[in-house]
Amino acid sequence: EADIYQTPRYLVIGTGKKITLECSQTMGHDKMYWYQQDPGMELHLIHYSYGVNSTEKGDLSSESTVSRIRTEHFPLTLESARPSHTSQYLCASIPTPGSGGNTEAFFGQGTRLTVV
Amino acid sequence: AQKVTQAQTEISVVEKEDVTLDCVYETRDTTYYLFWYKQPPSGELVFLIRRNSFDEQNEISGRYSWNFQKSTSSFNFTITASQVVDSAVYFCALGDWEDQKLVFGQGTRLTINP
Repeated sequence: EADIYQTPRYLVIGTGKKITLECSQTMGHDKMYWYQQDPGMELHLIHYSYGVNSTEKGDLSSESTVSRIRTEHFPLTLESARPSHTSQYLCASIPTPGSGGNTEAFFGQGTRLTVV
Repeated sequence: AQKVTQAQTEISVVEKEDVTLDCVYETRDTTYYLFWYKQPPSGELVFLIRRNSFDEQNEISGRYSWNFQKSTSSFNFTITASQVVDSAVYFCALGDWEDQKLVFGQGTRLTINP
């Protein structure tokens, strides 16, 4: 059972608002990821982190930003939300290689964001 | 570039039928991972299986089985005697060996009708 949590599960906000999507894991994993899922189902990597103070952009360009101040916490921020940001955002973490764990990504339950 | 193709956008079958979900991938890497995830209506991604690129042994887990063929770059998923609870969107994914970044297919929406 994976211990990775995302809040909120659902969010409806107005255009121009600043929002932060929270992602926390209690497994001590170094590698964490944010994936964006379009309403048409496909998932794309938008951000990832190898550990504290490490953040990288993913394959899909995103106007969001992330931070990694603590190992367990990987929040995603939109400074000014727009309707084009309407999507589901999924956070994931992976065990450190050699730690004895498997290498599959553990996913949170996702945040469904709607910008009106 | 890495790419995963799930050619079947939607599949609908009657309960108890067998169904196979196709997955074809492209990569220049010699080592990589392959995954299948299930996404029920609630939205979370449920891990089903991981395969390393050097392990072509097929796997069976209850009613689920996976056929990995490196020669054709395919990693197909079969559900035997399907049940209504199998209805979900299924994703095949290709994982980078070093970074574990995932490239997903477009997903296949599977509907099992009673």
